[in-house]
Amino acid sequence: SQELEQSPQSLIVQEGKNLTINCTSSKTLYGLYWYKQKYGEGLIFLMMLQKGGEEKSHEKITAKLDEKKQQSSLHITASQPSHAGIYLCGASPGGFKTIFGAGTRLFVKA
Amino acid sequence: KAGVTQTPRYLIKTRGQQVTLSCSPISGHRSVSWYQQTPGQGLQFLFEYFSETQRNKGNFPGRFSGRQFSNSRSEMNVSTLELGDSALYLCASSSRDSGGVSSQYFGPGTRLTVL
Repeated sequence: SQELEQSPQSLIVQEGKNLTINCTSSKTLYGLYWYKQKYGEGLIFLMMLQKGGEEKSHEKITAKLDEKKQQSSLHITASQPSHAGIYLCGASPGGFKTIFGAGTRLFVKA
Repeated sequence: KAGVTQTPRYLIKTRGQQVTLSCSPISGHRSVSWYQQTPGQGLQFLFEYFSETQRNKGNFPGRFSGRQFSNSRSEMNVSTLELGDSALYLCASSSRDSGGVSSQYFGPGTRLTVL
């Protein structure tokens, strides 16, 4: 079965710094989602990537899909306290289900 | 459009009881999925419904069941509650009609505590 591994597990950055979160799949990626979750709350949809090489941006967050590496990266530019939370990547391996990585906890120091 | 709503937001039950959680999807979305989130196991897929039919089910015991109504609202039921069922239960809706990639939108979740 397909698994998603996220790295790092947690990250502490100084406000204003850039950061990158990676999501690596054990099988071919046909599409990948990125979500953000505030502690104990629901997931907020950030973006969906479907094609290899595709890159999307949402405010100061950019994500890219590398099909050959079976990997996606999420990059935050000039981090702010509002970016703090848990970032999760998800993929649909087929069969109308979605699997998720374990998440990356981001802390932003003001 | 209104987002995905879940009720109740918080629930406290005791072992052996049963519980029913409700989810109303975004208007026009016919696919509803349920997930369980715990600190130890992360976010795990429970089941997915489309047009009142369960299309897929995760690896959970039969105590976990669900259904979907003609208006796409969905309920999930957990019988004979165990301490390990304490979790955040999330519902997601999507416009996904067939297999493939489609955005899912999540509700705020129901926090279930089993004592």
